[in-house]
Amino acid sequence: GDKVKQSPSALSLQEGTNSALRCNFSIAATTVQWFLQNPRGSLINLFYLVPGTKENGRLKSAFDSKESYSTLHIRDAQLEDSGTYFCAAETEGADRLTFGKGTQLIIQP
Amino acid sequence: EAGVTQSPRYAVLQEGQAVSFWCDPISGHDTLYWYQQPRDQGPQLLVYFRDEAVIDNSQLPSDRFSAVRPKGTNSTLKIQSAKQGDTATYLCASSPLGGSYEQYFGPGTRLTVL
Repeated sequence: GDKVKQSPSALSLQEGTNSALRCNFSIAATTVQWFLQNPRGSLINLFYLVPGTKENGRLKSAFDSKESYSTLHIRDAQLEDSGTYFCAAETEGADRLTFGKGTQLIIQP
Repeated sequence: EAGVTQSPRYAVLQEGQAVSFWCDPISGHDTLYWYQQPRDQGPQLLVYFRDEAVIDNSQLPSDRFSAVRPKGTNSTLKIQSAKQGDTATYLCASSPLGGSYEQYFGPGTRLTVL
């Protein structure tokens, strides 16, 4: 099965609403990165997390290594938030990332 | 600070042709990664280097793919005889040694094999 499972796979929201994306890990993740892949294909770094939470503007992310999950909350969604969100996990002693399959987010006016 | 740069941005080949992708990591980053991202999937690691040494190339199809980083800075990924199944975006990333291992990605090369 998937080592990093993202949900939902796709989501459509109205501008101004809130959303929550989730990653579940079947590997012993030690750090998590969240990225936004824009329509041009570039991966934009959103968060790098050890267990705990971080916040940046309208985005907030949490990583619980004991329960093996991470979340990304988007508040007051804007059109420019559209794209595919990926989470990726690193495990102890392996400085490589294992990616999920992504959540495609569409923000509608 | 300049980001990770890659070239070319796009490539279109016939099956059997060869192609090379070039990556310039962020200055001072000693670890460099190559990922393959098929359409509608997440990136999958092919190979990564620390300085000029290959750390892990277990996911690199060694019969047709090769990667080098001779001076521990820029890197080249080459496909000798491309197949339609190689159609994907090839992403390069780099990260610094010590502290966080946060990876930073280049814009990718979108490869289409006809």
